[in-house]
Amino acid sequence: GALVYQYPRRTICKSGTSMRMECQAVGFQATSVAWYRQSPQKTFELIALSTVNSAIKYEQNFTQEKFPISHPNLSFSSMTVLNAYLEDRGLYLCGARGGGAEQFFGPGTRLTVL
Amino acid sequence: QQQVRQSPQSLTVWEGETTILNCSYEDSTFDYFPWYRQFPGKSPALLIAISLVSNKKEDGRFTIFFNKREKKLSLHITDSQPGDSATYFCAASERYAQGLTFGLGTRVSVFP
Repeated sequence: GALVYQYPRRTICKSGTSMRMECQAVGFQATSVAWYRQSPQKTFELIALSTVNSAIKYEQNFTQEKFPISHPNLSFSSMTVLNAYLEDRGLYLCGARGGGAEQFFGPGTRLTVL
Repeated sequence: QQQVRQSPQSLTVWEGETTILNCSYEDSTFDYFPWYRQFPGKSPALLIAISLVSNKKEDGRFTIFFNKREKKLSLHITDSQPGDSATYFCAASERYAQGLTFGLGTRVSVFP
């Protein structure tokens, strides 16, 4: 079946430092990968979307300078939160789509910033 | 401006009742509408989804009703169970192209 793995599941970093999180789609060929953030007591915000043969598209309020994304192929994607501060804490979700509409989510990486 | 709106913000029902969750959207290019359920401390899981070609989608106790003209959807959960207590998110996207835009969620509590 289609699965999306994310690593690490939880991480803690000091304010002003950076941390990298990874996402891997298994069991299907991902045609797009999207990263989301759920801040405490909030909904999910789309950070950026990567699709086949297209550049990564960042949503308003999110930039490549702050959240650089690397994806050697669409089945594997990594995102770094640079210079993390308190407002960056939350659950970071990776969602991958195959040929259909359904987006498969990973379990998320929960970021705590001290 | 919130592109996907949900109401109510929270809801309490008794076991066995029907839970009704509402969702509306602004963007006319949206054509795929999944509902996700999230338990505390967990990631969201797809519950049921509908596209523009349908007015209704049913899966067990879960049914989506879709009014395309008014850009409104509702999720009905019949015979609600305490295990249904969770936060439910309505989302929307252009089917194959874009990421999902989520509503703010409705927190549902089902009491026995």
